[in-house]
Amino acid sequence: DSGVTQTPKHLITATGQRVTLRCSPRSGDLSVYWYQQSLDQGLQFLIQYYNGEERAKGNILERFSAQQFPDLHSELNLSSLELGDSALYFCASSVGHQLEVFFGQGTRLTVV
Amino acid sequence: AQSVTQLDSQVPVFEEAPVELRCNYSSSVSVYLFWYVQYPNQGLQLLLKYLSGSTLVKGINGFEAEFNKSQTSFHLRKPSVHISDTAEYFCAVKLNDYKLSFGAGTTVTVRA
Repeated sequence: DSGVTQTPKHLITATGQRVTLRCSPRSGDLSVYWYQQSLDQGLQFLIQYYNGEERAKGNILERFSAQQFPDLHSELNLSSLELGDSALYFCASSVGHQLEVFFGQGTRLTVV
Repeated sequence: AQSVTQLDSQVPVFEEAPVELRCNYSSSVSVYLFWYVQYPNQGLQLLLKYLSGSTLVKGINGFEAEFNKSQTSFHLRKPSVHISDTAEYFCAVKLNDYKLSFGAGTTVTVRA
């Protein structure tokens, strides 16, 4: 158990819908990262937050947004969902910027 | 910019045989290097990391990796694999507070 908690574990939704994925980082970790894992794209970095502020942005679509709250948990919002958004979404956390990153178990999103 | 190349997408190996997974990175500055393992239907687990110091790093489950700066490589090795080592392995690089960039992954299948 990495200490990073993601909910829900599985999510099935229809095209055009909006979903929210939730992540609780390890106790004391200030950085939260979101990754998307799909068969064709592999592991893609989406976005990073550090202590509530957006730190780095990767290949995140405009239909996707994220935030980190004062209690350091984070949410990834995916809207106007398309079939191609079906993937495993990972949250990860780290104490600071340079140290190892711990991953949650992921949320498997299926868009039908 | 930094990128990670895992030279083998699939590595079949017999139980108790050695295995080497190759990873090359491209970066003009110093990086931090990691190997993660993903067991079926699970999240990513850190195997080992190179931050500085000795170029030979030992990780969990009998794995080790060697950092070679001149060849910009960070190959992962295990002298004797078990059936339970069947998984996908990801090499990753991190530059200071930048995102963790992953290779495409290497699927290791251990056969009896």
